[in-house]
Amino acid sequence: AQSVTQLDSQVPVFEEAPVELRCNYSSSVSVYLFWYVQYPNQGLQLLLKYLSGSTLVKGINGFEAEFNKSQTSFHLRKPSVHISDTAEYFCAVIPDTGRRALTFGSGTRLQVQP
Amino acid sequence: DARVTQTPRHKVTEMGQEVTMRCQPILGHNTVFWYRQTMMQGLELLAYFRNRAPLDDSGMPKDRFSAEMPDATLATLKIQPSEPRDSAVYFCASGFLKGEQYFGPGTRLTVT
Repeated sequence: AQSVTQLDSQVPVFEEAPVELRCNYSSSVSVYLFWYVQYPNQGLQLLLKYLSGSTLVKGINGFEAEFNKSQTSFHLRKPSVHISDTAEYFCAVIPDTGRRALTFGSGTRLQVQP
Repeated sequence: DARVTQTPRHKVTEMGQEVTMRCQPILGHNTVFWYRQTMMQGLELLAYFRNRAPLDDSGMPKDRFSAEMPDATLATLKIQPSEPRDSAVYFCASGFLKGEQYFGPGTRLTVT
């Protein structure tokens, strides 16, 4: 079974400041990793994914994440945030074998202040 | 711009009534997932299908929930009878088993 831990339930940050949203996972098998964003009253939108290859992945809206296998982490970063980045962010994993469904973290609410 | 569509977007019903939620996956995707989101439990998988065949429904209360894919363009999630604890946002997603999943806008269900 897999589990995903997002240590920060809320992250307040000022506009144009950098931000890092933390994600750690646990799994007995190899996994693929994802970050999704959810704006109020909307579905989840894929930000970026790590399937294999380079451990630094770039996504939409200027976000990037780095896969660290030894630390079982997949932290999300953005060098300069905008008000429009205010949303809920979910880290998720899916195993490469077995039950092929996403396991989500509890989410981190990013609040960008002017 | 291909999207997953879900109907209805909102549903208010009384306890004991039947509720049917519908999902149209993105054309060409062979896997369809149903998730439920609540404040207490977060996002949890209810069931998923591959090539219209149910692969896993272990996350679903079997006595009242049922999920089907009558054809490749329609997936349904039915609750009968509904209970107040079923109040949640239900998301449908489509994609492939190995890759990313694309989510619909969700059905917000309120059972009174």
